[in-house]
Amino acid sequence: GAGVSQSPRYKVAKRGQDVALRCDPISGHVSLFWYQQALGQGPEFLTYFQNEAQLDKSGLPSDRFFAERPEGSVSTLKIQRTQQEDSAVYLCASSSLAAGGYTFGSGTRLTVV
Amino acid sequence: DQQVKQNSPSLSVQEGRISILNCDYTNSMFDYFLWYKKYPAEGPTFLISISSIKDKNEDGRFTVFLNKSAKHLSLHIVPSQPGDSAVYFCAASAKNAGGTSYGKLTFGQGTILTVHP
Repeated sequence: GAGVSQSPRYKVAKRGQDVALRCDPISGHVSLFWYQQALGQGPEFLTYFQNEAQLDKSGLPSDRFFAERPEGSVSTLKIQRTQQEDSAVYLCASSSLAAGGYTFGSGTRLTVV
Repeated sequence: DQQVKQNSPSLSVQEGRISILNCDYTNSMFDYFLWYKKYPAEGPTFLISISSIKDKNEDGRFTVFLNKSAKHLSLHIVPSQPGDSAVYFCAASAKNAGGTSYGKLTFGQGTILTVHP
C-alpha cells in the first residue's frame, strides 16, 4: 500500500482482556517500529524489527506486551491482561533506511475500561 | 528521565510571522535530530532533520538550527501559515555501542502550534 496501515483504528477493551493490534508497513520496508503515545505526551519507543528479527524490545513495559513479525512484513502487537495504564495510542512506523525520518501509521487508540 | 524536552506546551502566532519551536536534550550521544508534525487522529509526519555535524538545515519555509554546546535545537517556520497549525514533536536518535543507528527515536512532549489568520 501507499502508507502504513494500522487496524483497528479504535479498540475498547475490558480490563483483563487480551488485545492484538495489527500493522501493515509500506511494502519492502525492512525496518518496523512500535511506539506508545499516552495522552499529552510524545511517542515512546516499544520495539524494533529488522525484517522478521526483533532486534530491540527494550521499550516493552512488561511481559504482558509481545510483538511479532513472522514473515518480515505484517506485525502484530499483543497485550495480555490489559490494564487501565495501557490506554494509549499505539503507533507503528516503517522505513527502508537505517536512520532518518520514517513513515508512521495513523495509530490504534486503545481504551481499557 | 526526559532526555528530550519541549518546554513550551503551546505557541500562538499570527499568519505571516515567524514561528520558533524549541527543544532541549540531555543525552550527549544523540547525533541525529528530527522534527515531526502531527494533526489530530493522524500519525506524526516527518518534517525536517539535522545531523550533529551540521548546525543548520533548511527546507523551504522550515529551518532547523542545532547548538550542540547548549544541547538545544529549534525549528523556524517562515512565514507561518494557518495550515501549519498542528502538534510539533522534536525527536533524537543515537548510535548504539556498535557505532550504528537503526533509527530508534526519543521524542519530546510536543508543542501545539496555532497560526491565526
